[in-house]
Amino acid sequence: GAGVSQSPSNKVTEKGKDVELRCDPISGHTALYWYRQSLGQGLEFLIYFQGNSAPDKSGLPSDRFSAERTGGSVSTLTIQRTQQEDSAVYLCASSFRATLSTDTQYFGPGTRLTVL
Amino acid sequence: DAKTTQPPSMDCAEGRAANLPCNHSTISGNEYVYWYRQIHSQGPQYIIHGLKNNETNEMASLIITEDRKSSTLILPHATLRDTAVYYCIVRVPGNQFYFGTGTSLTVIP
Repeated sequence: GAGVSQSPSNKVTEKGKDVELRCDPISGHTALYWYRQSLGQGLEFLIYFQGNSAPDKSGLPSDRFSAERTGGSVSTLTIQRTQQEDSAVYLCASSFRATLSTDTQYFGPGTRLTVL
Repeated sequence: DAKTTQPPSMDCAEGRAANLPCNHSTISGNEYVYWYRQIHSQGPQYIIHGLKNNETNEMASLIITEDRKSSTLILPHATLRDTAVYYCIVRVPGNQFYFGTGTSLTVIP
């Protein structure tokens, strides 16, 4: 079946502009995660949705970052007033149910964001 | 969730077993050990996970010490395509994954 998809694959924006990144999880997956990965670094957790529960936003680096998940499926990560340090690859992952020990995350290809 | 410590890099000869260590000395009883890998420019890929017993699947084996304070991922016959960054994560089901910086494995022809 189809995997996790993300759009756009690349985004170049000017400092101060807002951007929206989209993630389409695997159908039927109740958990959805956002991470970012700066050049040469590991993955940094941003936010996590599990079903209808309140999202875990503990990884969001500032209030310029927000995310929503509509209808338990598609998610949008919004970065307001982008800064150059926001430049990174933004990765989305989904899993069947995060509370299971067997929970396996499936990752999308990522969106490469460049802030000029 | 407990933190993990991994060597930043390792080399392995093609066809040999690659043994990647991970320390998780503060692991608690309900935390599982997961391994993922990330091949350049791709999203991470699940490899294997376990609680306290050793596990094996078609990709790798996971050996967890009896005190659960460390584990080793074994790729039995490394190929060039196994060159990647390998992440060891400990996690309570339902919590988020903290990936850390992992071990960069280079398989040498």
